[in-house]
Amino acid sequence: DQQVKQNSPSLSVQEGRISILNCDYTNSMFDYFLWYKKYPAEGPTFLISISSIKDKNEDGRFTVFLNKSAKHLSLHIVPSQPGDSAVYFCAAGIIQGAQKLVFGQGTRLTINP
Amino acid sequence: EADIYQTPRYLVIGTGKKITLECSQTMGHDKMYWYQQDPGMELHLIHYSYGVNSTEKGDLSSESTVSRIRTEHFPLTLESARPSHTSQYLCASRQIGQQETQYFGPGTRLLVL
Repeated sequence: DQQVKQNSPSLSVQEGRISILNCDYTNSMFDYFLWYKKYPAEGPTFLISISSIKDKNEDGRFTVFLNKSAKHLSLHIVPSQPGDSAVYFCAAGIIQGAQKLVFGQGTRLTINP
Repeated sequence: EADIYQTPRYLVIGTGKKITLECSQTMGHDKMYWYQQDPGMELHLIHYSYGVNSTEKGDLSSESTVSRIRTEHFPLTLESARPSHTSQYLCASRQIGQQETQYFGPGTRLLVL
């Protein structure tokens, strides 16, 4: 049973426009969420996180929104740049204990010039 | 930000060989993790450690073993490699008491022939 789902395997966006990546989760115990960016043959790079006590967190061009009632989070990138082309993973965890992360399947984002 | 190093970056090896994947971090982080990722799939946690002399199995069953004799070092060993072990192995770490972000190393791509 997949606890974290990214239902869009790929997304194509024009340079300068907004990219919106979505993620759904099923475990209501999750209380923090993260987005990572990954290039092939490299490790994931941390982008932004959000605690369940917030509904929005912003860092430069990246904003993460959390809708706890819908168990849904999204990552907004604006404006999108060619260097943003990568696979994006959302991850969820529980602060107490081992802080193990559960990852979604990833969404491949392509920014077209 | 954490400095996490993994060696080798790429490894091609024959069936039945014993291999050790190295992971080191220089930030004194207490918690360390090993994830496995197949192409196009999510990351799965296979091992984690709270600190020295602490190791636990993750959510995905793995034939590999780990050890944590020093804080900075968390090697993963396969006693007898098989083609089913072909995957990317990613090491991560985080500091207890700080934000919940896990920082990843560059990964090891393993191909077992």
